[in-house]
Amino acid sequence: DIQMTQSPSAMSASVGDTVTITCRASQGISNYLAWFQQRPGKVPKRLIYASSSLQSGVPSRFSGSGSGTEFTLTISSLQPEDFATYYCLQYNSYPLTFGGGTKVEIK
Amino acid sequence: EVQLVESGGGLVQPGGSLRLSCAASRFTFSSYAMSWVRQAPGKGLEWVSVIRSSDDTTYYADSVKGRFTISRDNSKNTVFLQMNSLRADDTAVYYCAFGVTGFGDYWGQGTLVTVSS
Repeated sequence: DIQMTQSPSAMSASVGDTVTITCRASQGISNYLAWFQQRPGKVPKRLIYASSSLQSGVPSRFSGSGSGTEFTLTISSLQPEDFATYYCLQYNSYPLTFGGGTKVEIK
Repeated sequence: EVQLVESGGGLVQPGGSLRLSCAASRFTFSSYAMSWVRQAPGKGLEWVSVIRSSDDTTYYADSVKGRFTISRDNSKNTVFLQMNSLRADDTAVYYCAFGVTGFGDYWGQGTLVTVSS
């Protein structure tokens, strides 16, 4: 099974900051990587798929990059509604595996 | 608009069984693999199982293998998760989800399963 190691597990940031979250796969997954945002009590929402493709309707301040085993999610100019938990997911092979999550909190 | 509606959650004793359903609408259900994903209280997301569209091939997370069974009824646009030998650590919100591009474009609202005596 492919393990997804996400870092950091939590971080504090201010409105307007640029935030970077990293996911590392235990083996190569090409670009079969998605990023999700989850606000408390809400259903996960996909932000990015295929490593760098922006989901329709998602603001352009969200971007993804990477291939193989190293991936990043960048949030430019953090907005109040961006304070949430973010998860990466590999869908290269079954079982699908999520990263452990990154909670982005207000500094 | 695509709709996924889960049902069947509730309180069950350890060792008991529960069957979850996910009713799908407004898309060609038979064309897509359908998955279940769960989230224990205060914890992260965990993919549970998938059933493919083409040949009904199924896959499971190690944590549920041998206890859970996924199935689908394309005539009713519904995917099921039969959960047997339930344990306290199966307590979670269970979501059904699928992808048009990759995985996870669409999610249901979830149904809560609580395993407790």
